[in-house]
Amino acid sequence: GIQVEQSPPDLILQEGANSTLRCNFSDSVNNLQWFHQNPWGQLINLFYIPSGTKQNGRLSATTVATERYSLLYISSSQTTDSGVYFCAVQTSYDKVIFGPGTSLSVIP
Amino acid sequence: DVKVTQSSRYLVKRTGEKVFLECVQDMDHENMFWYRQDPGLGLRLIYFSYDVKMKEKGDIPEGYSVSREKKERFSLILESASTNQTSMYLCASRTSRVGSYEQYFGPGTRLTVT
Repeated sequence: GIQVEQSPPDLILQEGANSTLRCNFSDSVNNLQWFHQNPWGQLINLFYIPSGTKQNGRLSATTVATERYSLLYISSSQTTDSGVYFCAVQTSYDKVIFGPGTSLSVIP
Repeated sequence: DVKVTQSSRYLVKRTGEKVFLECVQDMDHENMFWYRQDPGLGLRLIYFSYDVKMKEKGDIPEGYSVSREKKERFSLILESASTNQTSMYLCASRTSRVGSYEQYFGPGTRLTVT
């Protein structure tokens, strides 16, 4: 089956720093989402991005489907950005595979 | 905005009890999902439902059943809770409209079985 990898597994940032999180997948996918799981466990939608680039405030994402990767950019990080970031890929109508996540800690 | 709610944030049950986890969405979505999340294992799909009264097994359905009597509500049932079902349970929903497969998650239920 399809493999989804995320890097780095853990990241510690000083407040105000920028970062790039990566999601690699081993086969063609129909769709890709980025989520942020906050410390209370809620999964929050960040981007629905099967291809191309999107921006939302300090966050942006790029998916290059032909090269099987997606990047999530966080600029001017804040402590509220802390948590775990997941990418999830959809391979068929009913199959969604989550990556293992990147755990981000932003320190003041 | 899509809203997915779950009946409890925290739940403690005893081994052997029957447990109901409820999920409600307000966006008229056809598809609904139940996942569990465990450290080191990530999110794993338990069951999903295409529409009312329709259900399909996910990757780890053993020990669970589901019910979808109304479009907005999807229930996960643990017939006889066991300690290895202690986990975080997450419900999600999405439309079935082609090209719009974005999943929306509820806040999660942390279940402890003692």
